[in-house]
Amino acid sequence: SQKIEQNSEALNIQEGKTATLTCNYTNYSPAYLQWYRQDPGRGPVFLLLIRENEKEKRKERLKVTFDTTLKQSLFHITASQPADSATYLCALDKLGNNDMRFGAGTRLTVKP
Amino acid sequence: GAGVSQSPSNKVTEKGKDVELRCDPISGHTALYWYRQSLGQGLEFLIYFQGNSAPDKSGLPSDRFSAERTGGSVSTLTIQRTQQEDSAVYLCASSLGGRVKDGYTFGSGTRLTVV
Repeated sequence: SQKIEQNSEALNIQEGKTATLTCNYTNYSPAYLQWYRQDPGRGPVFLLLIRENEKEKRKERLKVTFDTTLKQSLFHITASQPADSATYLCALDKLGNNDMRFGAGTRLTVKP
Repeated sequence: GAGVSQSPSNKVTEKGKDVELRCDPISGHTALYWYRQSLGQGLEFLIYFQGNSAPDKSGLPSDRFSAERTGGSVSTLTIQRTQQEDSAVYLCASSLGGRVKDGYTFGSGTRLTVV
C-alpha cells in the first residue's frame, strides 16, 4: 500500500539549532515533493517544492533534499527561531495526477 | 478574491442531517481540491477538480459524500446523513492550472462537528 511517513509526531529543539524533519514514502513515484507549514486553526501554507531530478532546494533558512533512491526527503530549518514552531507537512503527487497526498506532519517546537 | 474562502468556518449538526460546505477559490485558479483533517491527523484527500470536472474522486469515503463545482469557480461539498465519524476540519485548496509546482493555497477550513 502507499504510505507517506514523517519521522516523528513531535520534535523539540533549542533556538539557533538546525531542525531536520524527515519524509519517507513507499509505493509512490512522485515527480514533485512539497513542504507546507501549518499553524493551529489554519490551513497549510506552501513553503517549497522540489522536483525528482533535483537533489536540493534552498529558500532563505530552509533547505530541502530529495533522494528518489532512498525514497526520502529531508527538510532543514537552520538558525531556528521560536516563530518556526508549527506543524510541517510533506506532500507528493500521485503518479499521473496533479493532486497531492500528504503525510501526517511533524510538530516542531523551538524553545528559546 | 485574495485568498481561498471557506464557509461556514464552523458547523455543528445533528447526526443524520445533511450539510453543505462551500469553497470559493482564488480567482483564475482552475484546479480545486478538498481534503479532510481529523484531530491530530494528516490531510486525507477527498476530491480534485480541474475546471468543472473531477478527474480524481477516489478519496470520497462513501456515497454520502458528493461534490460539485460550477462555472469553474465555487465548489460545494455535500455530506448526506452525517455520522459522528464525519467530524473533522474540511480544507479546500486551489492552484493555478493544476500545476503542482506552484503549490496549493489553502483556505482556513470548515470545522464540522456532528453531535
